[in-house]
Amino acid sequence: AQTVTQSQPEMSVQEAETVTLSCTYDTSESDYYLFWYKQPPSRQMILVIRQEAYKQQNATENRFSVNFQKAAKSFSLKISDSQLGDAAMYFCAYRSAPYNTDKLIFGTGTRLQVFP
Amino acid sequence: DGGITQSPKYLFRKEGQNVTLSCEQNLNHDAMYWYRQDPGQGLRLIYYSQIVNDFQKGDIAEGYSVSREKKESFPLTVTSAQKNPTAFYLCASFGYSNQPQHFGDGTRLSIL
Repeated sequence: AQTVTQSQPEMSVQEAETVTLSCTYDTSESDYYLFWYKQPPSRQMILVIRQEAYKQQNATENRFSVNFQKAAKSFSLKISDSQLGDAAMYFCAYRSAPYNTDKLIFGTGTRLQVFP
Repeated sequence: DGGITQSPKYLFRKEGQNVTLSCEQNLNHDAMYWYRQDPGQGLRLIYYSQIVNDFQKGDIAEGYSVSREKKESFPLTVTSAQKNPTAFYLCASFGYSNQPQHFGDGTRLSIL
């Protein structure tokens, strides 16, 4: 069975600085998707970024980028120019690509604090 | 606008009572999911449904039941057999293989 591990329960960053959140996963599959979701205090789940395992290029969305290391099964999220609105819980998630069930397997989350 | 609507936002359950959480989507998605979130934990899958009139148990289905009579609707019943129902419940739907899941805004369930 696939597992997702986020080893940093909490992180903090100064406004305008850069922070990296870690995620590792375990799978025997070769084709899958990885996601980072943001959950602010409102508890909404907001998709931050997505990576397809077959793509070697790291995904980027504005200030958010990932470092996808398939062999190491690592999927870290880098937030550049951190803003106060980035403060939230961040969840890493895994999904098998070939199957239609689209079950998302989540890590336990990292709480990010942003200080002015 | 297309999206997922969960209701109510807050729900209280009395001892021995069954309660039902509503989830409706107008995204024309085939698959729908229920997740439970406890403090300090990620989301855990309760039940999911790929098509109407069909559903499968997730990792923590005991004490819960679902139905899928319509494509748009996937209600979750928390039965009295669920001894620790206090949690935040999120509903999600999924339409296409290269797209992420869409989430509702959640329901917070507490015991009276």
